[in-house]
Amino acid sequence: DAKTTQPPSMDCAEGRAANLPCNHSTISGNEYVYWYRQIHSQGPQYIIHGLKNNETNEMASLIITEDRKSSTLILPHATLRDTAVYYCIVSDFNSGNTPLVFGKGTRLSVIA
Amino acid sequence: GAGVSQTPSNKVTEKGKYVELRCDPISGHTALYWYRQSLGQGPEFLIYFQGTGAADDSGLPNDRFFAVRPEGSVSTLKIQRTERGDSAVYLCASSDNLAGGPPDTQYFGPGTRLTVL
Repeated sequence: DAKTTQPPSMDCAEGRAANLPCNHSTISGNEYVYWYRQIHSQGPQYIIHGLKNNETNEMASLIITEDRKSSTLILPHATLRDTAVYYCIVSDFNSGNTPLVFGKGTRLSVIA
Repeated sequence: GAGVSQTPSNKVTEKGKYVELRCDPISGHTALYWYRQSLGQGPEFLIYFQGTGAADDSGLPNDRFFAVRPEGSVSTLKIQRTERGDSAVYLCASSDNLAGGPPDTQYFGPGTRLTVL
C-alpha cells in the first residue's frame, strides 16, 4: 500500500500557482519524497525529489515540512499542459533501486 | 537520446491466448521495471531486473506472468492463458542504478494497452 495520502482532485487557473499537498506521516529517516506526474495516455514522468530540504528545479518546487510528515509540490505558473495526475511517493534509498509504490495521486485540472 | 520504448502500443487478444510485451530501455540503464496500471489506479509494481536477473518478482500476480531480460537490455513480459482481468496498461521503466545516494529516477515508456476479450 502507498505510504502517502493525496486529495483525489484539484483545479487551478492557468497562470496561477498550483499547490499539491501530500501527507506521509509514517515516513522514515531513510525515505525520500518523490513526485511523478502522468499526462493522459503517457507513462509517468519524474518531477522532483527531496529528503528534508526544500528543492527547486526547472519544473517545480518541493516544500517539505520540518517534521517531514507532509510536503507540497508547487507548480509556479500552471499551464494547460500541466493537466495530469500527480503522484507523491516515498522511497527508501538504503534499499538501492526499489520499485515505486504509487497511490491514486491527485488529478490536477488546469483551467483556462 | 531515445527514451524507453514499448511494443506494441496496443494489443487485443482473446481469453486464453498467450501474449508477449516488449520493452526497450534507455541504453546503458541496468535496472528495468515492469508495472501494470488499471483504469483509475496508479501503476502497480510487477517485477524488477538488475542486469539479466530478476532482483524482485514479488509483484507478479500469479504464475501465468513471467518476464525475461536475457542480455540485460531488452525485456519481454509474457502472459499465458490470458484472462479478462489482465486487461490493463503495462508500463516499463528503466534507471541507471547509480551507487549510493537517493533511489534512481525511473524513466517510463508509453505503455502497452492490453485488452483481453
